[in-house]
Amino acid sequence: DVKVTQSSRYLVKRTGEKVFLECVQDMDHENMFWYRQDPGLGLRLIYFSYDVKMKEKGDIPEGYSVSREKKERFSLILESASTNQTSMYLCASTPQGLLYGYTFGSGTRLTVV
Amino acid sequence: QKEVEQNSGPLSVPEGAIASLNCTYSDRVSQSFFWYRQYSGKSPELIMSIYSNGDKEDGRFTAQLNKASQYVSLLIRDSQPSDSATYLCAGGPRQAGTALIFGKGTTLSVSS
Repeated sequence: DVKVTQSSRYLVKRTGEKVFLECVQDMDHENMFWYRQDPGLGLRLIYFSYDVKMKEKGDIPEGYSVSREKKERFSLILESASTNQTSMYLCASTPQGLLYGYTFGSGTRLTVV
Repeated sequence: QKEVEQNSGPLSVPEGAIASLNCTYSDRVSQSFFWYRQYSGKSPELIMSIYSNGDKEDGRFTAQLNKASQYVSLLIRDSQPSDSATYLCAGGPRQAGTALIFGKGTTLSVSS
C-alpha cells in the first residue's frame, strides 16, 4: 500500500514563528498536494507539485510556500504563522495524471497561539 | 470557476437502508471522479473511483456517473452504523499538472 507520512499529528506554534510541515510518500508518485481543511469550508488547495522542484499555486497560497527538492518529500512552510492558519493540514500524493485519486496522509492539526 | 457541489446533510438513514449521496460538478473537462469517506478527526480514505458513464459496484457501494447531466452519486446498500462519516466527492481532468476539486462533503448518520 502507498504510504503518505506527515511528520507531526499535532503541532502548537506561536504567532510569528516559521513552521515546517513535512510530507513523505514511498511509492514514487509524481504529484503531491497540500490542502487545509476547515469546518464548513471543505478541503482547500494550498499548493501542489507535479515534479521535483516544480510547484503550482492552489486556491489559497497566501502566507505559505513549499519546497520539493526530492521526489518523495513535499514540505509546506508557513513563513510567519498567524492564528488564522490554525487548521488541519492534509498532504496527498498520486501518480501522474488523476486516474487513481489521491492517497492522503493522516493530517497535521496545527494550532497557532 | 470549477465547482463540485454536495448537499452538506446530515443525511440520516436507519440501519439496513440504502443511503444515496449526490454530487454535481460544473465543468465538462473533468473525467475522473472519486468518493472519499472521512471519519471525524481522520483523513479522507478513497472508497470508489469512476471514469465512465453508468454504474460501478464494489461490495455494498455503487458509484454512478452521468456526464451529460454532470452528476455523480454514491449508493450505500445495507447501511451500517460504521458507515456514519462525511463523504467527499471529487473530480478532475485526467492530465498532468492538475488537481482534484473537492466538494464540501455530505455527513451521513446511520442509526441502529
